[in-house]
Amino acid sequence: EVQLVESGGGLVQPGGSLRLSCAASGFTFTNFWMTWVRQTPGKGLEWVANIKSDGSENNYVDSVKGRFSISRDNARDSLYLQMNSLRAEDTAVYFCARNRFTMDVWGQGTTVTVSS
Amino acid sequence: QSALTQPPSASGSPGQSVTISCTGTSSDVGGYNYVSWYQHHPGKAPKLMIYEVNKRPPGVPGRISGSKSGNTASLTVSGLQAEDEGDYYCSSKAGSNNFVVFGGGTKLTVL
Repeated sequence: EVQLVESGGGLVQPGGSLRLSCAASGFTFTNFWMTWVRQTPGKGLEWVANIKSDGSENNYVDSVKGRFSISRDNARDSLYLQMNSLRAEDTAVYFCARNRFTMDVWGQGTTVTVSS
Repeated sequence: QSALTQPPSASGSPGQSVTISCTGTSSDVGGYNYVSWYQHHPGKAPKLMIYEVNKRPPGVPGRISGSKSGNTASLTVSGLQAEDEGDYYCSSKAGSNNFVVFGGGTKLTVL
């Protein structure tokens, strides 16, 4: 079964850091771009970042550039999102998804709450 | 990286058709055939309903269709059923690189 499972969410103080993980299974991870998308409370989906299949290219939404870093470990079929200098507005459910423009497989999400 | 524009809500009675619009610019919706539509129920994983403007993934019924004219994409749900309720989001490739932008979402209610 094709599956993505996120982990690593939690409560963190403003200015703190958190690392999200996404474990992939059921497909050849190394063949696909991967994406992080978030949904803030009461608002819609927002594209956060994506990374090329071999890790050689990554892209970020302006609001997280310089603070978040997307990476992957193809040997472990895993995707990561390192989040630094967290702000209250980063509070959201974070989803990982397969592909860049046609996100055909999604995880259930992991919740990040930034609050003092 | 401005969000695409969707109506906040749409509704229809069972059996009717409803169309949801998604308006962008020539730098996203109008410039590329990489428009996708997703159905999302809170607490669940979003589900891909349409990709590349008008293609349906396996398992999505034929009464769900997509189209595009200029800078506006549309999702049409025909023969509305209760299961069609949910939040619908469009997305598009944005710019000449590999950026993506989502719409603000439309809450579809089956009356």
